[in-house]
Amino acid sequence: DQQVKQNSPSLSVQEGRISILNCDYTNSMFDYFLWYKKYPAEGPTFLISISSIKDKNEDGRFTVFLNKSAKHLSLHIVPSQPGDSAVYFCAAKAGTGTASKLTFGTGTRLQVTL
Amino acid sequence: EPEVTQTPSHQVTQMGQEVILRCVPISNHLYFYWYRQILGQKVEFLVSFYNNEISEKSEIFDDQFSVERPDGSNFTLKIRSTKLEDSAMYFCASSTGVSYQPQHFGDGTRLSIL
Repeated sequence: DQQVKQNSPSLSVQEGRISILNCDYTNSMFDYFLWYKKYPAEGPTFLISISSIKDKNEDGRFTVFLNKSAKHLSLHIVPSQPGDSAVYFCAAKAGTGTASKLTFGTGTRLQVTL
Repeated sequence: EPEVTQTPSHQVTQMGQEVILRCVPISNHLYFYWYRQILGQKVEFLVSFYNNEISEKSEIFDDQFSVERPDGSNFTLKIRSTKLEDSAMYFCASSTGVSYQPQHFGDGTRLSIL
């Protein structure tokens, strides 16, 4: 049951360049999408989110784009820094203001090289 | 910045034994969650908890699992009789429950069943 899919298990980007991480979903009930970053031996750290009423949300170097018709979202990191090297998880939630669970993708390991 | 704390960081238990994983959610949060990640797999939802009762649980959360908020600060996950397949990272999370607010995760407890 892969309602949230991250098809690229890994991505390598040069420092200073743009990193683009992709995520697809199948459940039309999802209305809130989040990106988490995870370092080894740590829990997922919230990075940025977007609700289904928007198509773009920006926070510093991080921008998330949502294409509802394609059921696709992406995370852009510009410029990429070595400290961005981590596993990035896309997550989705159906229902706001409730204890709704997060459904996670399998993650994309980003490596930013010097 | 407030954070979710989990103890212990690593728990080694014999198969068939009971184990209790502990979490201290962020103090003004009202919704609490447990997730797990088996090595090499995605993060999976186990249970959500609000107002001293379970809001939602997954198929994984069978009769061997229970959750409790024994006092005003702790949130626990108990596995009554552990199995080898319970070996995983267990993450606690909490949220305010306000619309479009993220869940915040602890660093996890690595549970190893021998």
